[in-house]
Amino acid sequence: EDQVTQSPEALRLQEGESSSLNCSYTVSGLRGLFWYRQDPGKGPEFLFTLYSAGEEKEKERLKATLTKKESFLHITAPKPEDSATYLCAVLSGSARQLTFGSGTQLTVLP
Amino acid sequence: NAGVTQTPKFQVLKTGQSMTLQCAQDMNHNSMYWYRQDPGMGLRLIYYSASEGTTDKGEVPNGYNVSRLNKREFSLRLESAAPSQTSVYFCASMVDRGNEQYFGPGTRLTVT
Repeated sequence: EDQVTQSPEALRLQEGESSSLNCSYTVSGLRGLFWYRQDPGKGPEFLFTLYSAGEEKEKERLKATLTKKESFLHITAPKPEDSATYLCAVLSGSARQLTFGSGTQLTVLP
Repeated sequence: NAGVTQTPKFQVLKTGQSMTLQCAQDMNHNSMYWYRQDPGMGLRLIYYSASEGTTDKGEVPNGYNVSRLNKREFSLRLESAAPSQTSVYFCASMVDRGNEQYFGPGTRLTVT
């Protein structure tokens, strides 16, 4: 059974204070690891897909990296508008369904 | 492109009432999904449809039924609502090659 664990559950940062969110996973045959952003009262918004260890993707202040056991979402010099819940999900084997972690709630204070 | 749309946005039901949540996508995706999201539980898959004419159970299917009406539309039905079904429901569709999913805005359901 695929498992995804995200840490920390919640993170408060000062504006400009860089940090990383962690997503640890256990799957049989990773086909993709996905990062989403979710704002309060809205549906998750797709950010990145990573397919193999060593891969990196960047978008503005966000950079996602992948190893064989975990993924990190690095946030560089965050702004208050980066405040959201960040979700990680994996797709494995021949499945057509994602397994989601519980998310990290990020708050960036001005 | 509207992406994934869901109706209604909010709904209050009494225990035992029934209702259907509607979902439509205009991205020509084959696969569609229904999730529920509860505090501390993350997104849990209720049912999915890998293609038109097929449906499969997810992690938490009890108390729900689905219909893949055509390639665009995938509905979720609660036959006899229970307070435990109070949740936020999201519909999503999946890109065929990239496998990323795109979500609708959600339906907030309260069962009293």
